[in-house]
Amino acid sequence: KAGVTQTPRYLIKTRGQQVTLSCSPISGHRSVSWYQQTPGQGLQFLFEYFSETQRNKGNFPGRFSGRQFSNSRSEMNVSTLELGDSALYLCASSKRQGLETQYFGPGTRLLVL
Amino acid sequence: KNEVEQSPQNLTAQEGEFITINCSYSVGISALHWLQQHPGGGIVSLFMLSSGKKKHGRLIATINIQEKHSSLHITASHPRDSAVYICAVAPGGNQFYFGTGTSLTVIP
Repeated sequence: KAGVTQTPRYLIKTRGQQVTLSCSPISGHRSVSWYQQTPGQGLQFLFEYFSETQRNKGNFPGRFSGRQFSNSRSEMNVSTLELGDSALYLCASSKRQGLETQYFGPGTRLLVL
Repeated sequence: KNEVEQSPQNLTAQEGEFITINCSYSVGISALHWLQQHPGGGIVSLFMLSSGKKKHGRLIATINIQEKHSSLHITASHPRDSAVYICAVAPGGNQFYFGTGTSLTVIP
């Protein structure tokens, strides 16, 4: 069974631009969560989607948004990029919400210049 | 204020040593996860705990819900265990609070 895939793996953008990252969960998994990892703040929860609905949201500005499609694939979008948005963005999938093992993708490394 | 505290931040061990990483948390949780992150970024979920103790190979994870504390033990450590180990707590659903991680280096 294929693991969680994320595209693109690396991305360079400039301040003010917007970016869309994609995550394909493991087949049969309906929950997708997104995380940001930076050297200064460590891992932080962005949001979780289940059955095309955002179920939980972390403490991030409205520039960060996401969505989930009927096939459980998810995208996250960051508008008006800032230098501080440079980070590793990870997604993880699980079969359901609740007490479930999370399976992480390899991440997308975003550099904002 | 960090909901999850890990110790130590950095750990260097000789191959074969017994290793303990600690995690304390301040929020009510439905589950606690131990994650392993290798250089390059990939994260693997090692354990999900809501009570008691779990063992997988040379890894053992314990949790004390009353004391809000968990430990990850590695027996007979090996250089391939070198990684960052992250404690994550889930108050509910899949929304996590993460510790800052423990960077482990095992020297041959």
